[in-house]
Formats: sequence, structure tokens, C-alpha cells
Amino acid sequence: SYELTQPPSVSVSPGQTASISCSGDKLGSHYTSWYQQRPGQSPVLVIYQDSKRPSGIPERFSGSNSGNTATLTISGTQAMDEADYYCQAWDSSTGVFGGGTKLTVL
Amino acid sequence: EVQLVESGGGLVKPGGSLRLSCAASGFTFRNAWMSWVRQAPGKGLEWVGRIKSKTDGGTTDYAAPVKGRFTLSRDDSKNTLYLQMSSLKTDDTAVYYCTTRYCSGGACYSAFDIWGQGTMVTVSS
Repeated sequence: SYELTQPPSVSVSPGQTASISCSGDKLGSHYTSWYQQRPGQSPVLVIYQDSKRPSGIPERFSGSNSGNTATLTISGTQAMDEADYYCQAWDSSTGVFGGGTKLTVL
Repeated sequence: EVQLVESGGGLVKPGGSLRLSCAASGFTFRNAWMSWVRQAPGKGLEWVGRIKSKTDGGTTDYAAPVKGRFTLSRDDSKNTLYLQMSSLKTDDTAVYYCTTRYCSGGACYSAFDIWGQGTMVTVSS
């Protein structure tokens, strides 16, 4: 079965850039989405189709996908960005999530 | 207001059955591809299954761990999605979310947009 691998945790200082990776076999040939989940809340879509932002998502969120790795980048990270982040892709007709990355804003 | 509201969760014994419901409002439900995603306590998100709109065939797809035990269905007249769960195992203990495919500007994409608040299912003896 297809698997997506994320680092368990990433730390960043306020105002700096955070990068969260997601790796999978030939992931660049699959559209990847990213979700933010704050404690006790439902997930929120922040990036779809590798690099597009839904309406209402701040411009500091961006994404890329090439080769075997997709990356979520948060520029000028704010305290409110502290959350769990999940990548997601489709393998044929099966949805797959990465294990999630806890972003800590120190 | 666009909204999804799950219900039907609770405590069930291993081997038992349960049916979850997801009531949709604020968008054209009959056109929506719907999925269930679950999250075990303290764990990550896990896709459970998807049902397409009837105009796109109404077909279903399932994750390997639930295939043959769970069934997705929809009642477009009631704007409601269902998840029938049988032969439940302790590993099925999780918050179950329903979610829609993301559509914008007349196009739809392979991402999950609207999410409900989730309903907790606990499988325990």
C-alpha cells in the first residue's frame, strides 16, 4: 500500500520560515494536499493541488511537490500556526494521509 | 452556512455494529463526493472511504482495514451521508469525520474541504 512519511515534529521561531516535508514513492506524480489541525478542532485545508491556497488561507502558506517529496512552507510563522499538519494524496482510488507533523512555534 | 454534522457515535462491543450519519447543509449535497476520515485518540488522520455523487456513478471506495466491514451510502433526498460499520474491532475506536471534496470556481479537486466536528466511536468490551 502507498505510504506518506512526515517528520514527527518541526520547531520554528516566530517570524521565521517553517518547512514540513512529506515523502512518498513518485509523490511528484500525485497531487498533494495539506491540512492544519489545531488541538480539539477539525482539520482545515491549507494547500491543494500541490501549491494552491483555498480562499481565506494566508499567503504565508505555500507548497511544492517534485520527485518523491512534497513540502509545506510557512513564511513568517506566527504563534497561531502552531498545530499538527498532515499531507494527503490519492493512490488510484485510495486516500492516503501522512502520519502528521507537530509544528511548535518557540 | 455550509455545515456537516455527524451523529450516531457511541460505545459498542467488539463484533458489534453501528451506523453513523452526516447531515449536510448550505451546499448542493447531491453533487458532492463525500468521504469519511477517522482519527484514533492521540493519532493521525486515516481515510476510511469515499462515495461519489450519483451523477458520477455513486461508486464507493474503501481503505483496506475496513473493506468488507464498512459500507458508505447516501440519501440525497435527506442531504445525509451514512457509514454502516459492522464486525467492529477495538482498532476502530476513533473520532469519525465526514468531509467533502473541495470544489471552487466550477472545478473540483482531489482534496477535502468542509469537515464536520466528528463523532466518537468507542469499541470496547
